[in-house]
Amino acid sequence: DGGITQSPKYLFRKEGQNVTLSCEQNLNHDAMYWYRQDPGQGLRLIYYSQIVNDFQKGDIAEGYSVSREKKESFPLTVTSAQKNPTAFYLCASSIDWLNTGELFFGEGSRLTVL
Amino acid sequence: GENVEQHPSTLSVQEGDSAVIKCTYSDSASNYFPWYKQELGKGPQLIIDIRSNVGEKKDQRIAVTLNKTAKHFSLHITETQPEDSAVYFCAASVQNTGFQKLVFGTGTRLLVSP
Repeated sequence: DGGITQSPKYLFRKEGQNVTLSCEQNLNHDAMYWYRQDPGQGLRLIYYSQIVNDFQKGDIAEGYSVSREKKESFPLTVTSAQKNPTAFYLCASSIDWLNTGELFFGEGSRLTVL
Repeated sequence: GENVEQHPSTLSVQEGDSAVIKCTYSDSASNYFPWYKQELGKGPQLIIDIRSNVGEKKDQRIAVTLNKTAKHFSLHITETQPEDSAVYFCAASVQNTGFQKLVFGTGTRLLVSP
């Protein structure tokens, strides 16, 4: 089945550590996105990638980094510079970035900083 | 900046009743308005969307209406069922340096009681 796979589902981190969240899609979509979800708030865009080897900062990129070396993969690193990293992280993809259309989401990764 | 307000934050109905969730947006250039349903521990899934050249769209028990003049749009669920219980997010598209992104509302937790 086509879809988006995020791992790990749950992750615990000590303060000062970097962690990387994995996102893989087999939908052959060009565009990929990372969102952060906090209780009582909407989804906020961290980074997006329109095509392989290209990515752009979203609304809350500080303390995060990404790479897009392969079309199907868009990992997110939460660095120690992120002041409040505990959140639910969602990866998404869409066919392309030219026309807004359906976003396909993964099941999310919940990061807890101890 | 772009803003999407969503009300109510929680909504409790009896099975068989109708449910209405309302959103307002700030960017008059927005032209795409999707609604996503998020079940517990899962990623959001698109349930219905509407574009600015249409005032209403219906899909079985779900309908969305759009009032571009007032800049608001609504989700209507008729004959609610317990499996409709979830968090619902509205979103509106905004242009951002040639890239269309989605700005999400803060979500509505719908509880349908048997």
